[in-house]
Amino acid sequence: GAGVSQSPSNKVTEKGKDVELRCDPISGHTALYWYRQSLGQGLEFLIYFQGNSAPDKSGLPSDRFSAERTGGSVSTLTIQRTQQEDSAVYLCASSPKGQYGNEQFFGPGTRLTVL
Amino acid sequence: DAKTTQPNSMESNEEEPVHLPCNHSTISGTDYIHWYRQLPSQGPEYVIHGLTSNVNNRMASLAIAEDRKSSTLILHRATLRDAAVYYCILRANSGYSTLTFGKGTMLLVSP
Repeated sequence: GAGVSQSPSNKVTEKGKDVELRCDPISGHTALYWYRQSLGQGLEFLIYFQGNSAPDKSGLPSDRFSAERTGGSVSTLTIQRTQQEDSAVYLCASSPKGQYGNEQFFGPGTRLTVL
Repeated sequence: DAKTTQPNSMESNEEEPVHLPCNHSTISGTDYIHWYRQLPSQGPEYVIHGLTSNVNNRMASLAIAEDRKSSTLILHRATLRDAAVYYCILRANSGYSTLTFGKGTMLLVSP
């Protein structure tokens, strides 16, 4: 079956512009996670959705970052007024439910480059 | 979440077994031990997880110490495709739990 998909695969933008990154989770998965991975670094948690609500936004680095999920499916991560330090690979993952023990299925990521 | 410690890198030859260690001395009684791996230019993928007993699946085996303060991921016959960064992660027993990734172990496989 189809896995987690993300778009675009690559995004180059200028400093100060807004960007939107999209995640299509596996159908039926209620939990959705956003992470980012900077060059040579481990993955950093950003936000978690259960259905359309986000009980944990603790990883969002600043108020320039926001995310929403609609219909319990597609999620969009928005970065306003991008900065060079926002350059990273943004990864989305979904799992059947948020409980422990359930594996997370990751998408291929969106590579964001801020010039 | 409790912290894990892994070697930065390990090397193996193709078709040989690989034992990837992980120390987690501050693990709590209800923490699950998860392993993920990340191949170059890809998102992480789940490998295996366990709580107390050793676990086997088609990808690997997980050996958990009796005191649960350490575990070992075992790849029975390494292939070139197994070259990746392997992450050992403790996941709390809660209503939901995110994954806290450390630096992991970079596994190099030589033909």
